[in-house]
Amino acid sequence: DSGVTQTPKHLITATGQRVTLRCSPRSGDLSVYWYQQSLDQGLQFLIQYYNGEERAKGNILERFSAQQFPDLHSELNLSSLELGDSALYFCASSPSGGSTDTQYFGPGTRLTVL
Amino acid sequence: AQSVTQLDSHVSVSEGTPVLLRCNYSSSYSPSLFWYVQHPNKGLQLLLKYTSAATLVKGINGFEAEFKKSETSFHLTKPSAHMSDAAEYFCVVSDREGLVGGFKTIFGAGTRLFVKA
Repeated sequence: DSGVTQTPKHLITATGQRVTLRCSPRSGDLSVYWYQQSLDQGLQFLIQYYNGEERAKGNILERFSAQQFPDLHSELNLSSLELGDSALYFCASSPSGGSTDTQYFGPGTRLTVL
Repeated sequence: AQSVTQLDSHVSVSEGTPVLLRCNYSSSYSPSLFWYVQHPNKGLQLLLKYTSAATLVKGINGFEAEFKKSETSFHLTKPSAHMSDAAEYFCVVSDREGLVGGFKTIFGAGTRLFVKA
């Protein structure tokens, strides 16, 4: 158990809808990362937050947004969902958000868009 | 710009034989390199990391990797495979985007390791 929790575990929704994925980092970690894992694209880095501020941006679509709250939990919002957004979404956390940090991964949220 | 290439999408070994999973990277600055493992239906777990200290890095479960700057490689090895090693392995590079930029984490495509009894 990494100490990172993600809810929900599974999410099934329809095209055009909006969903929110939630992540609670390990106790003491200030940085949160979001990743998307799909069969055709592999593991893609989406975005990183550090202590409430956006730190780095990867291949995140404009329809997607995220934030990190004062209590350090994070939410990833996915809107105008398309079939291709079906994937496993991972959250990870790390102590200081630096490039040498070990990232601790949550169990993931499996999103299915029908 | 940084990139990671895992040279084999699948590797199959017999239990008790050595494991070699190959990874090449490209980076503009001084990268940190990681190997993560993902067991079926599980999250990712760190095996080991290189952060500009010793070039031979030892990790959990008997795995190790050697950072070779001249070859831009970071291959993962284990002397003797165990059935429980069957999983997907990801080579990861983390590096700055520029002189004043933040950093990005890039995952390789993954290598699935099969271990035969």
